[in-house]
Amino acid sequence: DTEVTQTPKHLVMGMTNKKSLKCEQHMGHRAMYWYKQKAKKPPELMFVYSYEKLSINESVPSRFSPECPNSSLLNLHLHALQPEDSALYLCASSPGTSTAGELFFGEGSRLTVL
Amino acid sequence: EDQVTQSPEALRLQEGESSSLNCSYTVSGLRGLFWYRQDPGKGPEFLFTLYSAGEEKEKERLKATLTKKESFLHITAPKPEDSATYLCAVQARYGGATNKLIFGTGTLLAVQP
Repeated sequence: DTEVTQTPKHLVMGMTNKKSLKCEQHMGHRAMYWYKQKAKKPPELMFVYSYEKLSINESVPSRFSPECPNSSLLNLHLHALQPEDSALYLCASSPGTSTAGELFFGEGSRLTVL
Repeated sequence: EDQVTQSPEALRLQEGESSSLNCSYTVSGLRGLFWYRQDPGKGPEFLFTLYSAGEEKEKERLKATLTKKESFLHITAPKPEDSATYLCAVQARYGGATNKLIFGTGTLLAVQP
């Protein structure tokens, strides 16, 4: 069983909807990440939070808005998405950003934008 | 530019037929090289970290090795449950990429009974 929990597992939304993806970890990790993965492609980094502060934003469009309410939770707010944003969204954590290579991933949220 | 290349793209083996997956990398100072396994529709699962040339790590039927230019993931006597996509990633020691991974495109392994 994964120690990083993501909800929902599946999400279908229209281009005018507002929705959120949620991620929770209880391993005491201080770095959390959002990745996007398209079919048959490797994960692409979107955002990195270190000690609840945004440390990396990989030039992600503003229709994706991350939030880190506390050290265990990470949200990704979605608004006015495009069909090409359909993908598997993965949350991950690591003890710190110095250990950014040893990531614990959740099972992902499969997003479909109609 | 930091880069990771994996080969082959896909590999089909018979159960028990040993083989190796390759990960070639160019990076401005290697902080670490990482292997992950990913099952369809799931998040990647961390397997190994390698830090310096000559280092080796083993886990069950898998053995990862590292040189200054590439890493190999050796699979000995594979079983059908080893079927998955294997991802290689590097973390750079210098520059703006020190806190993120650069992933290769993966090798899709299918082990037939």
